[in-house]
Amino acid sequence: GEDVEQSLFLSVREGDSSVINCTYTDSSSTYLYWYKQEPGAGLQLLTYIFSNMDMKQDQRLTVLLNKKDKHLSLRIADTQTGDSAIYFCAETKSDNYGQNFVFGPGTRLSVLP
Amino acid sequence: DTEVTQTPKHLVMGMTNKKSLKCEQHMGHRAMYWYKQKAKKPPELMFVYSYEKLSINESVPSRFSPECPNSSLLNLHLHALQPEDSALYLCASSQGLIAGGLRDTQYFGPGTRLTVL
Repeated sequence: GEDVEQSLFLSVREGDSSVINCTYTDSSSTYLYWYKQEPGAGLQLLTYIFSNMDMKQDQRLTVLLNKKDKHLSLRIADTQTGDSAIYFCAETKSDNYGQNFVFGPGTRLSVLP
Repeated sequence: DTEVTQTPKHLVMGMTNKKSLKCEQHMGHRAMYWYKQKAKKPPELMFVYSYEKLSINESVPSRFSPECPNSSLLNLHLHALQPEDSALYLCASSQGLIAGGLRDTQYFGPGTRLTVL
């Protein structure tokens, strides 16, 4: 497809793991990104992964990349109420001007006590 | 320091007003961006400046007028807006506008919540 796709909603219980999935479109994307947006706030860069990596771990965050299927996932271990937010994956797409970000629609993560 | 600042945080304006949004970064980044974000939607790119020159204008109406006075500052001048222009306006910056590198990583400001009456 032409769009970056994400499921729109995810609910988990506090302390459980959350897995947010993303399907991207451009196999030439060099870096893939995860951003977090809390209500009324800007986008906070959470992590990124280089396209020649399969996995990247950063404290409670694990990013998995399957280049063959163009599938990216973000796992949050021991999910806390402060993790409630919208999570956007983004790929970089080449055009005549260089590289532009293309965002997915965002996954709204709700953490239940 | 990966901070992008935006002022004001909130803005309410009438359709006949003229106002400006401001964005500032001191990371030495040479590319700066304006995005518009409607509720429950991802950000949509409006403008890109590279080395203080406008390099991308994504078919944005002329009632939005960007300005880059220097490499640290980016303004968005607003005039004769419509109620449907109400949104969160996000500024971002990156090291450069180079294809394929980590220099493309964009850092976002907190946004200006604009309401047009």
